Amino acid sequence: EVQLVESGGGLVQPGRSLRLSCAASGFTFDDYAMHWVRQAPGKGPEWVSGISWNSGALGYANSVKGRFTISRDNAKNSLYLRMNSLRAEDTAFYYCAKDISRGPTVTFDYWGQGTLVTVSS
Amino acid sequence: QSALTQPASVSGSPGQSITISCTGTSSGVGSYYLVSWYQQHPGKAPKLVIYEGSKRPSGVSNRFSGSKSGNTASLTISGLQAEDEADYYCCSYAGSSTLVFGGGTKLTVL
Repeated sequence: EVQLVESGGGLVQPGRSLRLSCAASGFTFDDYAMHWVRQAPGKGPEWVSGISWNSGALGYANSVKGRFTISRDNAKNSLYLRMNSLRAEDTAFYYCAKDISRGPTVTFDYWGQGTLVTVSS
Repeated sequence: QSALTQPASVSGSPGQSITISCTGTSSGVGSYYLVSWYQQHPGKAPKLVIYEGSKRPSGVSNRFSGSKSGNTASLTISGLQAEDEADYYCCSYAGSSTLVFGGGTKLTVL
């Protein structure tokens, strides 16, 4: 059974940093691209970032480019999102999502349960 | 990043069919395989229902189908059931290695 478990969310002040983690199991992690997708309460999903199976291809939404960094550790079956210079508008549930391919596509076949990041003073 | 336009809401009675549109650009939605659709019930993570324009993941009812005309992709749900009431989102490529979701469509089963 595929499982994606996010962690690392919480309350953080504007301008501070946070690192999210996603522990993957139930599939061959290094065979697939992975993504972070966020969703503010009451809003639709927003794609944040994606990374190919070997970290060779990365992509970021314009809203987070230069502030967020996606990475993965295939030996640990883990995906990460380093978030710097956090803003109130970054407040959202952050989902880890598995791609159906090695390279980032637009298809996410499994999602985690999400971790809530709240940016507030 | 280019936006994807969806109707805010659609509704239908049990047994009927509804169609949700998703309008984008030629480099995103216009490329058939670069469209996926997600169903989201309140308090739950999104669930993939259609990918590469018209493919259904294992376990998704064949009442769900996808199609495309020009730069508009469509999700059709036939034989509406109460459990289909949810929010639906399309997703496509937006250029420069970025992806974008549509604004979402709330489906109400009357």
